[in-house]
Amino acid sequence: EAGVTQFPSHSVIEKGQTVTLRCDPISGHDNLYWYRRVMGKEIKFLLHFVKESKQDESGMPNNRFLAERTGGTYSTLKVQPAELEDSGVYFCASSFRQAYGYTFGSGTRLTVV
Amino acid sequence: DAKTTQPNSMESNEEEPVHLPCNHSTISGTDYIHWYRQLPSQGPEYVIHGLTSNVNNRMASLAIAEDRKSSTLILHRATLRDAAVYYCILRDPLSTDKLIFGTGTRLQVFP
Repeated sequence: EAGVTQFPSHSVIEKGQTVTLRCDPISGHDNLYWYRRVMGKEIKFLLHFVKESKQDESGMPNNRFLAERTGGTYSTLKVQPAELEDSGVYFCASSFRQAYGYTFGSGTRLTVV
Repeated sequence: DAKTTQPNSMESNEEEPVHLPCNHSTISGTDYIHWYRQLPSQGPEYVIHGLTSNVNNRMASLAIAEDRKSSTLILHRATLRDAAVYYCILRDPLSTDKLIFGTGTRLQVFP
C-alpha cells in the first residue's frame, strides 16, 4: 500500500509569506495527525483529525496556523503569515484506528528567511 | 502525561543484539508502551507496542517488566540500517491520542 505522502518535501519562503503544506494519508485511515520539530527541539503534536473533524488541536501554536481536511481525505496545513520561528520539519501521520501504530510521512522541511 | 526516561545514546556492532531500555515509573494502567524510531532524514517509523505481555514482530521484540515500570526494546541482530533515534512513548488511547516524544536514544551501529 502507498504510504503517507507529504508535499512539498522542502519549502523556503520569506517571512510574512503564506505556505500551504499537504498531506495524503493512507487510504482508509480516518485518523490524521500533524506534528513538527523546530530547530533543536523535540517532535511536538499539533493536531488530530478524525475524518474531517478536528479531534484535538491543542498543539497548534497560534492562529497563524490553519489545518483543514475537507472530505476526510487529504489535509492541508497553512501558515499565514510565516514567521522565522516556524522553520522546522512538519510531519503528517495517519492511523487506521486509535491505539494502532501511526504511519508517518517523510515530512516537509520549512525554512522561513 | 506519563513520562519516559531513556539513555541519550547507545552503541552496537553489526549482527549483535541490542537492548534499548526505557523507564516509565509513573505509567498508568491504561497506558500502552509504544516504540518508534527515526532514521536520518525520514519521519518516525512505528516499531512495536504492547500493554502487559511481551510482544514480537518482524522488526523487534518488546519485553515489559512485570510491574510495567520499565520495558526493553530488543533488536535481535543489529544492522547498519538500524542506526536511528529510538523513542519510547506511553500512549493512552482512552484519554489522548497524541504521541509525546522525548529525546529518545540515538543508536549507533558499527560494521
